[in-house]
Amino acid sequence: DQQVKQNSPSLSVQEGRISILNCDYTNSMFDYFLWYKKYPAEGPTFLISISSIKDKNEDGRFTVFLNKSAKHLSLHIVPSQPGDSAVYFCAAIKVGSARQLTFGSGTQLTVLP
Amino acid sequence: SAVISQKPSRDICQRGTSLTIQCQVDSQVTMMFWYRQQPGQSLTLIATANQGSEATYESGFVIDKFPISRPNLTFSTLTVSNMSPEDSSIYLCSVMGDARGRSTDTQYFGPGTRLTVL
Repeated sequence: DQQVKQNSPSLSVQEGRISILNCDYTNSMFDYFLWYKKYPAEGPTFLISISSIKDKNEDGRFTVFLNKSAKHLSLHIVPSQPGDSAVYFCAAIKVGSARQLTFGSGTQLTVLP
Repeated sequence: SAVISQKPSRDICQRGTSLTIQCQVDSQVTMMFWYRQQPGQSLTLIATANQGSEATYESGFVIDKFPISRPNLTFSTLTVSNMSPEDSSIYLCSVMGDARGRSTDTQYFGPGTRLTVL
C-alpha cells in the first residue's frame, strides 16, 4: 500500500522555465510534508517542508503548495536551472508517530540548457 | 543542520558475510533512523535507532538480520547480517532533533553506503 505517490517518474523542463513536481497521499493522518533532492551517489538533501496547517511555503526559488482536500502537494521551482537536475522525493510524517518519513517513489527532473 | 558521515561509503561483499555500517553525527541528536534504497526504488525505513535501548523495527525488518546499536547521541551502527544479493542497496542514516530535546520535523541524511552483494 503506497501511501505517498509520485506518479511521474520523470520530467524534463527547459532552463529558466518552471518545474512542477507533484505528489499525492492517501493517509489523512499525515501532518507534515517534506521535499528532498537526491543526486546519484549522495544522500537526500532537504529542500523545503510544509505543515498541514498551511497551504503554501516559499523559500527562494522553491515553493511548496498543499491542497489538503485533494491530498495533493506540489513543488514549484522557478526559474529552473541545470543544477536542479536530480531525483526529487516527497515525504510525509504521521501525526503522533515517532516522526518517521514515508517516501514517494521519486521523480527524475532534467533541466535542459 | 548536522554534519553526518557514514563508513564505509561503499563495499562489495560475498554472500553469507556481514557488514557493519557506521553513522557519525557532529552534534548530539535526539533521533536517528536507518533507511534502505534498493535499486530503482524509493527509500524505505528499516528502524529507529534508540539510544540506550533496542531499536524499533518497521514491518518486514528484524533485529537478527539488521542489528542496530546506538551507544550515544552522536553515533549508530547498522549491521547487515548473512547477506544475500537481495541486500544490495544504498543504506542511509538520518537524524532529527537536538540534544536539548527540541524536536524538529526535518530529517537530515548521511551520504549513504552503497552495498553490493555478490
